[in-house]
Amino acid sequence: DTAVSQTPKYLVTQMGNDKSIKCEQNLGHDTMYWYKQDSKKFLKIMFSYNNKELIINETVPNRFSPKSPDKAHLNLHINSLELGDSAVYFCASSQGTGVRLKLFFGSGTQLSVL
Amino acid sequence: SQQGEEDPQALSIQEGENATMNCSYKTSINNLQWYRQNSGRGLVHLILIRSNEREKHSGRLRVTLDTSKKSSSLLITASRAADTASYFCATAQETSGSRLTFGEGTQLTVNP
Repeated sequence: DTAVSQTPKYLVTQMGNDKSIKCEQNLGHDTMYWYKQDSKKFLKIMFSYNNKELIINETVPNRFSPKSPDKAHLNLHINSLELGDSAVYFCASSQGTGVRLKLFFGSGTQLSVL
Repeated sequence: SQQGEEDPQALSIQEGENATMNCSYKTSINNLQWYRQNSGRGLVHLILIRSNEREKHSGRLRVTLDTSKKSSSLLITASRAADTASYFCATAQETSGSRLTFGEGTQLTVNP
């Protein structure tokens, strides 16, 4: 009955490969996010979808492409992986997009690019 | 640009002691939130304080906000080993919509 679940938990891959991370939430929220946490634990927003519509698209290489098939799912596809893509990627969700939103996070996907 | 900066970066205390973490930010905010991250897990929302509030309590947590100094503090009283985690502040600006900006976090270790 995990609220925000993402798979896989760990992803180890070679440079140049393409990989996907999947996220699902069962909280009934209408907004979902991808955050990236680097080795210093700095957390930065990448993308946000509200009702399947992209509303936040930070300065992220276009090798990263999010997709939201419905309100409960948000996937992240990464093409041509680079060493610098190694990080922990978190999916999160919230109800609404107002300034007082509270985020609910998944447990993260640790991506290691070799 | 990074909005929140936290101080100290790391804090180690004994069980039963109080832990205080500070967060400073740069621009006007609508609210400030604190999150906890246990090792290998996602962040968990702890408390939200609005820009027109000065202090807020939740169980053993006490948060203060000083908008004139653009700073906030999180106090955990009577700490427990289970409080060991990283603590992050996050700010929401009036015009940022659903964009929360996180600080770098404070790693708290509570020794039994």
